[in-house]
Parts: sequence; structure tokens; C-alpha cells
Amino acid sequence: DAKTTQPNSMESNEEEPVHLPCNHSTISGTDYIHWYRQLPSQGPEYVIHGLTSNVNNRMASLAIAEDRKSSTLILHRATLRDAAVYYCILSPGAGTALIFGKGTTLSVSS
Amino acid sequence: GAVVSQHPSRVICKSGTSVKIECRSLDFQATTMFWYRQFPKQSLMLMATSNEGSKATYEQGVEKDKFLINHASLTLSTLTVTSAHPEDSSFYICSARRGQGNEKLFFGSGTQLSVL
Repeated sequence: DAKTTQPNSMESNEEEPVHLPCNHSTISGTDYIHWYRQLPSQGPEYVIHGLTSNVNNRMASLAIAEDRKSSTLILHRATLRDAAVYYCILSPGAGTALIFGKGTTLSVSS
Repeated sequence: GAVVSQHPSRVICKSGTSVKIECRSLDFQATTMFWYRQFPKQSLMLMATSNEGSKATYEQGVEKDKFLINHASLTLSTLTVTSAHPEDSSFYICSARRGQGNEKLFFGSGTQLSVL
């Protein structure tokens, strides 16, 4: 499975933007980039996913590098509820499971 | 939006007993569901892929006779932990994908299993 590399932890202040990086230098042409987040004692929650173009939704934005070897999840205005573990995952194909790495633990301070 | 319901959310059992965890897709049909296990302060580990109407596919190192998976309908998959022991205590999470493409996964809320 293609792997991703994320920083172990990041810190942010409330109301400020957060940029969570992810490196995936071995990504293949058909791999989708998925982002999920997990709060303590809960199942993961979908955040966003994309293939080549940047994506926006109500939760976040996904910026994908032109060579697709890296991507950045952007939370435009962090809130305390955004404190979670964020996982960047490559999805190789339809119907396949997602393989989780260690993710980035985001802390948000008021 | 699509919802995956998982029950129970928490179960405590005695060593040697069996525990069944249910995972339901509430508003879509899921031909494939996935089961994960998560130990404290660790990431999710894929245990098996549950296929409706056929045998589950287990990841390497996961005992299929211990973790029985049944996917009898398009909206229900169950995981039974047989003869549970304290080392099976963990957070178990199911997930499902609504379509056949590379769409997002919906996750259940998880089941915390504690074996005494």
C-alpha cells in the first residue's frame, strides 16, 4: 500500500487557519487522497477527499500539489471542536479498505 | 447523510465468553463492510473485509476462528469475538462505503470491549 507521512502533532489557536501537511511521494495515478479525523472514543469522521484538483467543502479545503506527491488539509478557522487526530490516507481503488497511519494530533487552544 | 450504526457502544464481559457486535448501514446498501480494531493511543488496524453473501477476507495475523464475521444482508454485518480474553479488549470499529467507486467511508461510533 502507498504510504503517507504526517507530522505527529500540531498546535493551533482558535479562529486561526490550520494547514495540515501530508507527504505521499509514492502515490500512483489512480490513488485518491482521503482525509478523516477522529475524536477520542469515537469512530473516524470523513473530512474530504480528492484525486488531482483542489477540493472544498463545508468542513475544509484540500490542496493537492501539482505532482500529487503531497497535499495539505486546510481548516480555515480552527475551533476547539476541531481538536482531533487527522489521518491522510491513500485509497487505491473502488471497494478497498482504508489503511490508517499514525495521523497528526491537532491541538487547538483558546 | 449516510449513517452507519454500531451496537453496542460498550460491553464488559468475562473471560471465555463470546461477544457479538452489530454494524448496520441505515440508509444505503453495503455489499462490503470493513472491521477495524484500535488499541489505546494507536491507530486503527484493519482486521477484515466483510462481503455480503460470502466469506470475509481476514488480514494477516487476524484469527478467523476467533473473530467471526457474518454479512448476511446488504445492511448488516456482525463481528463475534469468540472465547474472549483480556488481550482482546480493544475499540472495535466498523465502516462501509455507499457506492462502488472510490467514495468516502462511513464509520460506526465504535464498540469498546473490556474483557475481565
